[in-house]
Amino acid sequence: DTAVSQTPKYLVTQMGNDKSIKCEQNLGHDTMYWYKQDSKKFLKIMFSYNNKELIINETVPNRFSPKSPDKAHLNLHINSLELGDSAVYFCASSQAGTSTGELFFGEGSRLTVL
Amino acid sequence: SQQGEEDPQALSIQEGENATMNCSYKTSINNLQWYRQNSGRGLVHLILIRSNEREKHSGRLRVTLDTSKKSSSLLITASRAADTASYFCATGPTGANSKLTFGKGITLSVRP
Repeated sequence: DTAVSQTPKYLVTQMGNDKSIKCEQNLGHDTMYWYKQDSKKFLKIMFSYNNKELIINETVPNRFSPKSPDKAHLNLHINSLELGDSAVYFCASSQAGTSTGELFFGEGSRLTVL
Repeated sequence: SQQGEEDPQALSIQEGENATMNCSYKTSINNLQWYRQNSGRGLVHLILIRSNEREKHSGRLRVTLDTSKKSSSLLITASRAADTASYFCATGPTGANSKLTFGKGITLSVRP
């Protein structure tokens, strides 16, 4: 049983296109996150939702729009893709909130913008 | 700016040796966590140490925390080739809705 699953694992697309990444967790956690990992492995939080409510929204271009239909799902839609959006995007979840407790990560979605 | 800074950036050791990785941070924390990332995979939580703890063990892992120096170390004893991975420290600052912030990671290579 995969605890945090995200799809697709790989996306290759052209600049200007729109793409979505989906994430689901079956751990019963209240909080879900999107992190971006760049080519130097630097991991930066983008968004955090607690029970479908947005609680962290870092300085991310508004081309990125998260959506949480329920507390087990957190999707990420990216409009007008740019070369700099190429990265690995990780979904994660936790039970205890944003700064306590361990994070459970998905396997990542590698986005390549050509 | 990022909270945790690991050092060294890369470490190469022989199987059976111990690996020590360090993390320094800047602000007050609730806890500090260490994660492992195998190549092409997601991060996996290894251990969490709270700000009122000084040392914690889990199997071959030993973590220390010195809040006066704002630093932590992760020791992996009797390393194995399977320990080859990137290791990240993550700090959980104090304050409501604060976020877990990751360092840049340490690449550990364990030679068989």
